[in-house]
Amino acid sequence: GQQLNQSPQSMFIQEGEDVSMNCTSSSIFNTWLWYKQDPGEGPVLLIALYKAGELTSNGRLTAQFGITRKDSFLNISASIPSDVGIYFCAGRGGGSQGNLIFGKGTKLSVKP
Amino acid sequence: NAGVTQTPKFRILKIGQSMTLQCAQDMNHNYMYWYRQDPGMGLKLIYYSVGAGITDKGEVPNGYNVSRSTTEDFPLRLELAAPSQTSVYFCASSKDRENIQYFGAGTRLSVL
Repeated sequence: GQQLNQSPQSMFIQEGEDVSMNCTSSSIFNTWLWYKQDPGEGPVLLIALYKAGELTSNGRLTAQFGITRKDSFLNISASIPSDVGIYFCAGRGGGSQGNLIFGKGTKLSVKP
Repeated sequence: NAGVTQTPKFRILKIGQSMTLQCAQDMNHNYMYWYRQDPGMGLKLIYYSVGAGITDKGEVPNGYNVSRSTTEDFPLRLELAAPSQTSVYFCASSKDRENIQYFGAGTRLSVL
C-alpha cells in the first residue's frame, strides 16, 4: 500500500527559530494536507495543497507541494511557544486511492 | 459552531465487552470517517461512509462495525473488545472526498 515517511519524528524549538519538516510518498499524490494536533484534541487543518509546485502560506506557516508530487514541506518561521504540538502530513491519491494517508507526525517541543 | 462531536471522551472496557462510539456532525457533510491513532503513529482509517446508508472498509476494519442511518450520525461499534483496540479514535467529516476533513476531539479507549 501507499507509504508516507514524515521527518523528523521530533524536534525541539527555541522561540524565534525557524522549523522545517517534510513528507515523502512512495506514490504520486493529488493533494497534500498539513494538520496540527494539540494534546487531547483532534487534528486541525493548517494548509491544503492541490497542485504540483504550489506554495501556500498561512501566517507564519508555509507549505509546498513538491514538483514530483511525491513530497511536501512545511516551514514555520519565527516559532512561538504555542507552536508546540504534533504536525501531520496527509496525502491523497486519485481514483480508488482517494482516501487520505497520514504520516506518523512530527512532534514539536520547547527546548529546555 | 459544534462541527464534529464525539462521545464519550474517555472509556475503559474489559476484554470481551462491547460499546458504541458516537459521532455526530452538523455541517451536512456527505462523507464521514473513523480513524484510530496509536502512540507515535499516524491515523489509520477504520471505516468511512460516502452518504446515508453507504459504508465501506478502510485500512484496519477488523473488530469494528459501523452504520450510517442518517447524514449526521456515524457510530462505531466494538462487539468484543480486545487489548489491541486500546487507542484514540477520531471521527471526521467532509463535504465530499476532495474536500477538507474536519475532526472531532477524539475518544480515548482502554481495553483491560
